Amino acid sequence: DSGVTQTPKHLITATGQRVTLRCSPRSGDLSVYWYQQSLDQGLQFLIQYYNGEERAKGNILERFSAQQFPDLHSELNLSSLELGDSALYFCASSASDRGTGANVLTFGAGSRLTVL
Amino acid sequence: KNQVEQSPQSLIILEGKNCTLQCNYTVSPFSNLRWYKQDTGRGPVSLTIMTFSENTKSNGRYTATLDADTKQSSLHITASQLSDSASYICVVSAYSSASKIIFGSGTRLSIRP
Repeated sequence: DSGVTQTPKHLITATGQRVTLRCSPRSGDLSVYWYQQSLDQGLQFLIQYYNGEERAKGNILERFSAQQFPDLHSELNLSSLELGDSALYFCASSASDRGTGANVLTFGAGSRLTVL
Repeated sequence: KNQVEQSPQSLIILEGKNCTLQCNYTVSPFSNLRWYKQDTGRGPVSLTIMTFSENTKSNGRYTATLDADTKQSSLHITASQLSDSASYICVVSAYSSASKIIFGSGTRLSIRP
């Protein structure tokens, strides 16, 4: 157990629907990152939050949004789902908002989204 | 442009053999380099992390090297085991006002009995 909790583990839904993925960071970590990993592809950075504020944005579609709440958990909202959104969505957390020093990203087990 | 390139894309070796995975980067200004192991369908797990001043770091049978001058890193796996079958991802961080973490596309390693 990495200490980063993601729910749900698996999700099957239909095109056009909306889903919410949830992430609880490791205790003490203020920064949360979201990544998308399509089949046999590398990790694609979506967005980062630090202590409730958006810090960095990657290749996140306009149909996707995220937020980090005061208790530091984060939610990734995916709307108007398309077949191509089927992927593993990983959340990672770290202690600071920078990739400096020995700041290590700790990943959750991922949420597998299947859009039919 | 900040980039991390890994080679080979995939590798198959026999159990008990050694192997070396490569990572070249152009990330600047360099902060640190990490190697992660990702089992299929699981989240990546950190193996090693090296900053500018470190040129080698070991974690059991895994040894990572870093040459900051040539901007190259390698991950050497000794006496491979079936459980080493996974993707190995090189991740390089840059100093910036916001976190800048660049992922390589990974090397898929398969260990055959």
